[in-house]
Amino acid sequence: QSVLTQPPSVSAAAGQKVTISCSGTSSNIGNFYVAWYQHLPGTAPTLLIYDNNKRPSGIPDRFSGSKSGTSATLGITGLQTGDEADYYCGTWDNSLNNVVFGGGTKLTVL
Amino acid sequence: EVQLVESGGGLVRPGGSVRLSCGASGFMFGAYAMNWVRQAPGKGLEWVAAISDNGGGSTFYAESVKGRCGVSRDNFRNTLYLQLNSLTAEDTALYYCARDAMARQLSWYFDLWGRGTLVTVSS
Repeated sequence: QSVLTQPPSVSAAAGQKVTISCSGTSSNIGNFYVAWYQHLPGTAPTLLIYDNNKRPSGIPDRFSGSKSGTSATLGITGLQTGDEADYYCGTWDNSLNNVVFGGGTKLTVL
Repeated sequence: EVQLVESGGGLVRPGGSVRLSCGASGFMFGAYAMNWVRQAPGKGLEWVAAISDNGGGSTFYAESVKGRCGVSRDNFRNTLYLQLNSLTAEDTALYYCARDAMARQLSWYFDLWGRGTLVTVSS
C-alpha cells in the first residue's frame, strides 16, 4: 500500500489529453513539492515535473503538473504512442521522514 | 556523457548481504546528494536511502531497511555504495541510483537515474 494514491491505469486515444491524479496528506503533498516521473520498466526513470509544475529542460510542454491542497495532477496533451509508460508521483513525507512515491499509473494510448 | 551505472547485483541467499555500486560520470559527483530507489517485481518505486553531498555527512534510510543498511560515497572514485544486510525475499528488486536534482542541497526529487542492478534473494 503506497503512501500516495494513484489510479492503477488510465487510457486515452492518441492525440487526446489525459490526467493522472495523486492523492496524499498534509504530511506529504500538503506541505511539500511534488515531482512526477515517467518510467518504462527496465529503463532509467525520467523526471517530468518538479516543484509541482516545473518542467526540466528537454521535457515538452505537453506535460504539465498542478497541485491543490493534498492532491496533485499530471496532465499530458497530444498523446503519442511513445507516452505509454508508468507514471509516478513523489514527494517528501515529514511524518515518515521518507521520500514517498505513488503506486504508479500505467498509461495506455489507444 | 552524464550517466549513472549500477553494478553488484546478483543472486543472494536469504540472510546474506550485498554491496551495490553506482559509478557516476559527466558531472561534479561530489556536489550532489545521491539516492537509492528500488522496484520489486510487479511493484512500484520505493525510495531506500540517501546521502548528502560532499562528505556525505548526513544519511537517510527508509524504515524497511533501517538498521541493516548503509549508504556511503567515494567522491574521488565518483562512486556511490549501498550495503544491505540480513536480506529477505522482500529485498528482491531492481536497485536504481538516482541523483538529487539540486546541487548542494536536498530537493528530494531526482533528475538522473541509472538503469538499475537486479538483486534476487532466494535459496
